[in-house]
Amino acid sequence: QSVLTQPPSVSAAPGQKVTISCSGSSSNIGNNYVSWYQQLPGTAPKLLIYENNKGPSGIPDRFSGSKSGTSATLGITGLQTGDEADYYCGTWDSSLSLWVFGGGTKLTVL
Amino acid sequence: EVQLVESGGGLVQPGGSLRLSCAASGFTFSSYWMHWVRQAPGKGLVWVSRINSDGSSTSYADSVKGRFTISRDNAKNTLYLQMNSLRAEDTAVYYCARGRGSMDVWGQGTTVTVSS
Repeated sequence: QSVLTQPPSVSAAPGQKVTISCSGSSSNIGNNYVSWYQQLPGTAPKLLIYENNKGPSGIPDRFSGSKSGTSATLGITGLQTGDEADYYCGTWDSSLSLWVFGGGTKLTVL
Repeated sequence: EVQLVESGGGLVQPGGSLRLSCAASGFTFSSYWMHWVRQAPGKGLVWVSRINSDGSSTSYADSVKGRFTISRDNAKNTLYLQMNSLRAEDTAVYYCARGRGSMDVWGQGTTVTVSS
């Protein structure tokens, strides 16, 4: 059972928009930055969003992040088949003194 | 090019030991915190351990505390994970990653299999 809760799967059609939620608590999301990671099949994870809503160089602006209270959301617009991947949220947990990931969400582009 | 390359994985019997290495290049290794993250077959990412830039501070997941030791050699630009008393549930791909507030560079991973 992950400290951060994500939906196991989401799906949408090409060109559409999808959001992936990440729910935590005051000891993690509520008081620390959230980052998001994309893991394409058979590859290492890649940073998509850092400090809640910032995109690293090279990440398309189709990917966005937001945070409100103890929840965070990843948004992906203009879905492409190449976006099919597992997506993970992550943050530091100040009470546990360790890093925590969500359980991951599998995105299917129908 | 900024790069992390893990090595040292393999097949080990339960109760055995293994040391993973992560060679860094293309950036000032000594300036960055580093992590180990693992992924069991078909499962999600699980954080294992973290070390600060000069090696003076470390943190561990409860599942590995007392068995695993993270360390670094900034002169050799290398991160290590010493894994002792290995269990079947430690079977996973182990990734090293760079960063403090987020993990912005990841290695390709090295596979550890614990089995008799």
